[in-house]
Amino acid sequence: AQSVTQPDIHITVSEGASLELRCNYSYGATPYLFWYVQSPGQGLQLLLKYFSGDTLVQGIKGFEAEFKRSQSSFNLRKPSVHWSDAAEYFCAVGARGYNTDKLIFGTGTRLQVFP
Amino acid sequence: GAGVSQSPSNKVTEKGKDVELRCDPISGHTALYWYRQRLGQGLEFLIYFQGNSAPDKSGLPSDRFSAERTGESVSTLTIQRTQQEDSAVYLCASSFTGTTSGNTIYFGEGSWLTVV
Repeated sequence: AQSVTQPDIHITVSEGASLELRCNYSYGATPYLFWYVQSPGQGLQLLLKYFSGDTLVQGIKGFEAEFKRSQSSFNLRKPSVHWSDAAEYFCAVGARGYNTDKLIFGTGTRLQVFP
Repeated sequence: GAGVSQSPSNKVTEKGKDVELRCDPISGHTALYWYRQRLGQGLEFLIYFQGNSAPDKSGLPSDRFSAERTGESVSTLTIQRTQQEDSAVYLCASSFTGTTSGNTIYFGEGSWLTVV
């Protein structure tokens, strides 16, 4: 069955520091991978997605993610974190089947940013 | 409207009562999804609609939960005989087609349900 694991429940970084949020997936075919961000009291916003091609994907707000098939990973990175990046981050995989084509989410990583 | 619209935004109900949550997808979006997010947790898939095809109901947690959608329009998620563990944010999303077609999935702001 398809699944997504985000090993880090909570990460704290200083403003200006680099960031890497981990995501591992389990999927039998070529995965379609996504990162979403959820700010306090806000809806979910798509940061970036990977479907095919270049394994390094650029997203909004200066984020990027790298797809590594050999490691079943899709880690999210940002070279310099801003205080406004404090939020909950969700990795997801697209799961297509007989009568479905849905997103399966990880449990999320809460990012806290200190000044 | 420009985005996915959900109503009510907040609902407090007594245990044992039925509730209905409504979702207006973005116009033209054939795919519609419902997810549940309990406090401090991730998103649980509930149900997926694609046009007039049979929905994927595999995520509905019990027979107290049901959802309907007529064509490519509004969807209603109904929870019968609510329990305290049903307290959560119920998120609706829509897209032109399913997730693996390259289209972005847009989420609504959610309906916050509290069962007391």
